[in-house]
Amino acid sequence: DSGVTQTPKHLITATGQRVTLRCSPRSGDLSVYWYQQSLDQGLQFLIQYYNGEERAKGNILERFSAQQFPDLHSELNLSSLELGDSALYFCASSVGSGGNTGELFFGEGSRLTVL
Amino acid sequence: AQSVSQHNHHVILSEAASLELGCNYSYGGTVNLFWYVQYPGQHLQLLLKYFSGDPLVKGIKGFEAEFIKSKFSFNLRKPSVQWSDTAEYFCAVTNTGGFKTIFGAGTRLFVKA
Repeated sequence: DSGVTQTPKHLITATGQRVTLRCSPRSGDLSVYWYQQSLDQGLQFLIQYYNGEERAKGNILERFSAQQFPDLHSELNLSSLELGDSALYFCASSVGSGGNTGELFFGEGSRLTVL
Repeated sequence: AQSVSQHNHHVILSEAASLELGCNYSYGGTVNLFWYVQYPGQHLQLLLKYFSGDPLVKGIKGFEAEFIKSKFSFNLRKPSVQWSDTAEYFCAVTNTGGFKTIFGAGTRLFVKA
């Protein structure tokens, strides 16, 4: 158990819909990262938050957004869903900057299926 | 641009064979290097990491990796694989600030019993 909690574990929805994925980082971790894992794209970095603020951005579509709340949990919002958005979405956390070695602790992922 | 290349996408070995998975990176500045493993149906977990010191690092389950700065490489090795090593292996790089960890495409290892 990594200490990172993601909900829901599985989600099936239709094209055009919107979903929210939730992540609770390990206790004490200030950084939250979101990754998308699909068969053809591998593990793609989407976005990182540190202590409530966006810190780094990767290949995140404009239809996707994220935020980190004061209690440090994070949500990834996916809207106007397309078939190609079907993937496993991982959240990871780390301590953050200031002596951080960069090690990430991953949740078990949220598997999104868009029909 | 920052990138991580893993040379082998699929590797099939028999038990007791030796393993070496290649990883090369392109990332400015001082880096931290990682290998993560994802067993079937599970989340990614850290196998080993390098951030300074001895370039030969040892991880869990008999894995080791060597950082060769001049070649921008961080290859993963294991002298004798087991069936339980069947998994997907990811090389990852981040800067020392810990932001924006970039992963390679992954290598799927299948070990035949």
